[in-house]
Amino acid sequence: DTAVSQTPKYLVTQMGNDKSIKCEQNLGHDTMYWYKQDSKKFLKIMFSYNNKELIINETVPNRFSPKSPDKAHLNLHINSLELGDSAVYFCASSRLTGDSQETQYFGPGTRLLVL
Amino acid sequence: AQKITQTQPGMFVQEKEAVTLDCTYDTSDPSYGLFWYKQPSSGEMIFLIYQGSYDQQNATEGRYSLNFQKARKSANLVISASQLGDSAMYFCAMRGPFPSKLTFGTGTRLQVTL
Repeated sequence: DTAVSQTPKYLVTQMGNDKSIKCEQNLGHDTMYWYKQDSKKFLKIMFSYNNKELIINETVPNRFSPKSPDKAHLNLHINSLELGDSAVYFCASSRLTGDSQETQYFGPGTRLLVL
Repeated sequence: AQKITQTQPGMFVQEKEAVTLDCTYDTSDPSYGLFWYKQPSSGEMIFLIYQGSYDQQNATEGRYSLNFQKARKSANLVISASQLGDSAMYFCAMRGPFPSKLTFGTGTRLQVTL
């Protein structure tokens, strides 16, 4: 059973195109995240949703639009793709409580290459 | 603001030896969590171990232990009896209170040799 799944695993596309990445978790968590890992392996938070409500929106171009149809799904839509968007995008999920110790579990990543 | 520093870009260790990966952190929040993740060459992020800021004892998970020194703001990962399969990137991360994003360090690439 896959806990956090992402599709597609690989995405190769041309500059200017619009693409979406889907994420689903079956852990019963109420919070989901998108992280971006750049070519130097640095990981940075992009967005987070808790029960379909946006709670984290870091400084990300507005070409990136997350959407959470329900608490088990968090999709990422990217408009007008640019070369610099090439990266690995990770989805993660956790329970959100007042305690900071909830572990985030990651999906396998989506490797996006913009040509 | 939270900050995680990993000063070792790369480390080598011989099989069956122990290795310590360094991590220091900075935060003004009294409540936080510290995590280590492993990223093998296949790319997935694997959760290894967690330490809470109020935990009195160091966390252990099998061959992994976390050497937590709160006054020094360090949370080093110790891997005992290294195995070839431990070769990977290792990331230290911190999670604060709501909205609880993870802040990552730059990672340490560990290579286990025969």
